[in-house]
Amino acid sequence: EAGVAQSPRYKIIEKRQSVAFWCNPISGHATLYWYQQILGQGPKLLIQFQNNGVVDDSQLPKDRFSAERLKGVDSTLKIQPAKLEDSAVYLCASSTDGLAGFYEQFFGPGTRLTVL
Amino acid sequence: SQKIEQNSEALNIQEGKTATLTCNYTNYSPAYLQWYRQDPGRGPVFLLLIRENEKEKRKERLKVTFDTTLKQSLFHITASQPADSATYLCATDDYKLSFGAGTTVTVRA
Repeated sequence: EAGVAQSPRYKIIEKRQSVAFWCNPISGHATLYWYQQILGQGPKLLIQFQNNGVVDDSQLPKDRFSAERLKGVDSTLKIQPAKLEDSAVYLCASSTDGLAGFYEQFFGPGTRLTVL
Repeated sequence: SQKIEQNSEALNIQEGKTATLTCNYTNYSPAYLQWYRQDPGRGPVFLLLIRENEKEKRKERLKVTFDTTLKQSLFHITASQPADSATYLCATDDYKLSFGAGTTVTVRA
């Protein structure tokens, strides 16, 4: 079974530029998550989708971050404009469901973003 | 929101010994407490889940305990091997996962 795919793996941009990350979850997984992991910290949930609807985006800095999952499959996360403090690894995860109870989350390899 | 604290110092142990990692949470007892492994350059991988009504869970050489009185979970790797070297993350599940910062374990051959 193919895992969660993410691209690009690495991205270096200057502050105030825009950047987009792409995620393709495991086939059939209804729930998709984007996490931000700053060096030395654990992942922090930015947004959770159930199919193409948003379940939780309470920790997404909406003034600069946006995410979509238009057809309920793959997803993009965008930062515009980027700040130095956005330097982190952006992880995408998926699960068969995620609304109640435990569903194992499967993580992709992440995109390492460096903002100069 | 829940605050998760893990041993901040890295753990360096000899092959064959038992590694014990600590995870403390500050607020209410979560319905589940989960442990993940993360290797450099990769996403976390789920290892074990323990429910609030379970005292202990085992999977091969891994053992997790959950003490709701102490608000603490312990994660043990017995008969450790160099391949166990990684960062281990604990996470509580209160409708969304909240992760600790992780503890890095290095097992020396």
